[in-house]
Amino acid sequence: KNQVEQSPQSLIILEGKNCTLQCNYTVSPFSNLRWYKQDTGRGPVSLTIMTFSENTKSNGRYTATLDADTKQSSLHITASQLSDSASYICVVSANVGNNRKLIWGLGTSLAVNP
Amino acid sequence: GAVVSQHPSWVICKSGTSVKIECRSLDFQATTMFWYRQFPKQSLMLMATSNEGSKATYEQGVEKDKFLINHASLTLSTLTVTSAHPEDSSFYICSAPRAGGNTIYFGEGSWLTVV
Repeated sequence: KNQVEQSPQSLIILEGKNCTLQCNYTVSPFSNLRWYKQDTGRGPVSLTIMTFSENTKSNGRYTATLDADTKQSSLHITASQLSDSASYICVVSANVGNNRKLIWGLGTSLAVNP
Repeated sequence: GAVVSQHPSWVICKSGTSVKIECRSLDFQATTMFWYRQFPKQSLMLMATSNEGSKATYEQGVEKDKFLINHASLTLSTLTVTSAHPEDSSFYICSAPRAGGNTIYFGEGSWLTVV
């Protein structure tokens, strides 16, 4: 069964601190893995897209890692800011026939406090 | 700026009426668009895949007669919630993949409240 599990479910950190969010998946056949940031009441915004051969990809203060062997990914946020408070969602894409299917994690709710 | 636009951003309607939500790709053509529903503190749930020029593909458990999808052009897909009920109140989001790449753009979402 294709599944994406994220941990922790929620996280509270102080402004300026770093944090790491985890994503484990059991999706086959794997196409790519995406991290999205979703502010409350807004549409998701893409942070990174990683294919099978990519191990690390950065986007500003966001760094995503991918271990295709263990089927794990992480999103590391450096020097957090208040605006980083949001839900971070891991999405794994599988190519099923001619269709691309997205399997969504439930997200990690991050709160950055001053 | 936004490359996928949704309208309206929020709407309140009476129970039993129908509501139409539009999803437009602004600077690219989208042969496929996706419609999601999101309840509070839950992840996005795919409702259906909208295909330009053909019928939409609905996910299991989603009533196609209740959630009418029309993909009339390469830049516009509409979702009509028919005979809306309070339990249909939710956040509806569309997305469109840009052809030839992995990028999927999301709309800003539409809040529907049925009273």
